[in-house]
Amino acid sequence: EVQLVESGGGLVQPGGSLRLSCATSGFTFSSHWMHWARQAPGKGLEWVANIKQDGSEKYYVDSVKGRFTISRDNAKKSLYLQMNSLRGEDTAVYYCVRDGGWCFENWGQGTLVTVSS
Amino acid sequence: QSALTQPASVSGSPGQSITISCTGTSSDVGGYNHVSWYQQHPGKAPKLMIYEVSNRPSGVSNRFSGSKSGNTASLTISGLQAEDEADYYCSSYARSSPPWVFGGGTKLTVL
Repeated sequence: EVQLVESGGGLVQPGGSLRLSCATSGFTFSSHWMHWARQAPGKGLEWVANIKQDGSEKYYVDSVKGRFTISRDNAKKSLYLQMNSLRGEDTAVYYCVRDGGWCFENWGQGTLVTVSS
Repeated sequence: QSALTQPASVSGSPGQSITISCTGTSSDVGGYNHVSWYQQHPGKAPKLMIYEVSNRPSGVSNRFSGSKSGNTASLTISGLQAEDEADYYCSSYARSSPPWVFGGGTKLTVL
C-alpha cells in the first residue's frame, strides 16, 4: 500500500521559514516524479512544485519561485519542501503527491502551515 | 483566479446523472490528454478518479467517466449516490508556467 506521510507544518511568523518532510513507503520512490500541492483554507487546490526522479529537474509555481526549494533523498524515500520568506498567502494545507504518469496518483493526508504574527 | 474554469456547484438527485465541465485553453486542456479529475470529501485528501481524460484507476466505480472536446473536459457521474457528495477538481498539464494547473473546484450536492 502506498503511504505518504507529511510532517513539519505549524505556526510561523511572516518572513519565517519551515521545512516540510514527506516519508513514503509502499512503492519505488526513486522511480517517480514527486509533487507538492497546497490548499488554502476554504479554497481550491494549487500545484506548488515538482521534482524529477533523480532531482535533476525542478519546477515551481511563480508565486513561490526564489522562496521555496523542493528536494528529495531517494535513499531515505523522502521528499522535502524548504519554505523561506513565508507570507500570509502561503497559509495552507500542504500535500505530498506521487506522480502517476501525468496525474497526481496518491496524496498524503496533508500538513497545515499557518503564517501569522 | 484558477487557470481552469469549473462551475462552482452542481446538484442532482440519487440515481440521476450529472456532468461537471472544466474549461481551459489550447495550451492546457485542449493541447494534451493529460487531464485528470479528483474527488475531495471535507477534511480529507483528494483522490484520483479519472486520468488521461477518460481512464479510471483500479477501484474507482464505473459510474465515473471522463471525456474531452476541444478545450473543455467533462466528468460525468451516473447513478448518483449520497457518498458522491464532495468537491471535484480537474487538472491538466500545461505548456506554460506553471506546468500543472487545477480548476477552481465544483461542489456536488446530492439532493
